[in-house]
Amino acid sequence: GAVVSQHPSWVICKSGTSVKIECRSLDFQATTMFWYRQFPKQSLMLMATSNEGSKATYEQGVEKDKFLINHASLTLSTLTVTSAHPEDSSFYICSARDPPGRQETQYFGPGTRLLVL
Amino acid sequence: QKEVEQNSGPLSVPEGAIASLNCTYSDRGSQSFFWYRQYSGKSPELIMFIYSNGDKEDGRFTAQLNKASQYVSLLIRDSQPSDSATYLCAVITGYSTLTFGKGTMLLVSP
Repeated sequence: GAVVSQHPSWVICKSGTSVKIECRSLDFQATTMFWYRQFPKQSLMLMATSNEGSKATYEQGVEKDKFLINHASLTLSTLTVTSAHPEDSSFYICSARDPPGRQETQYFGPGTRLLVL
Repeated sequence: QKEVEQNSGPLSVPEGAIASLNCTYSDRGSQSFFWYRQYSGKSPELIMFIYSNGDKEDGRFTAQLNKASQYVSLLIRDSQPSDSATYLCAVITGYSTLTFGKGTMLLVSP
């Protein structure tokens, strides 16, 4: 299967700082990447869809000015959590979709655990 | 709202038994269905996908799809303790959005 990496895997930061998370597709080009958030014992929640070369599409209730997404190349999307607060502490996971085709299969990165103090 | 429903479990089975995980979905137009496995503290890992009615087998895993009943299931034969995880059913809905169920926790006891 396709390989997706994320960096960093762990972040601890002070309240009010900004944190950038990188998502890379290592062995394929992904025109579309997705950002999810998962709180403990809850399901994955889609935050936004990141399209290469265009603006991200955010899900209802997700603040686009707080969660900045940039998809500048076919292998890299970044999520920046601006002015992070303790309630933003969560497990952030990206996924990348296989090249266009019927499969529409998404492959997930290993996730980034964010703790805001 | 497009929904994917799963029993949260836990589903407990003894080692060597068949584990049966079930999922229903509300969007009758859905065409693509996926099963992911998520170990505690880890991200989801794709196990199988299925598009056509019927069964699809891959090793110890069999996915079953019934579009008329809007039902998809995953069977795990010869369950092992290492299969203990949360299994997420996911369905492509609308404009290629992957909608997840809340997952079923499977516990396989030695």
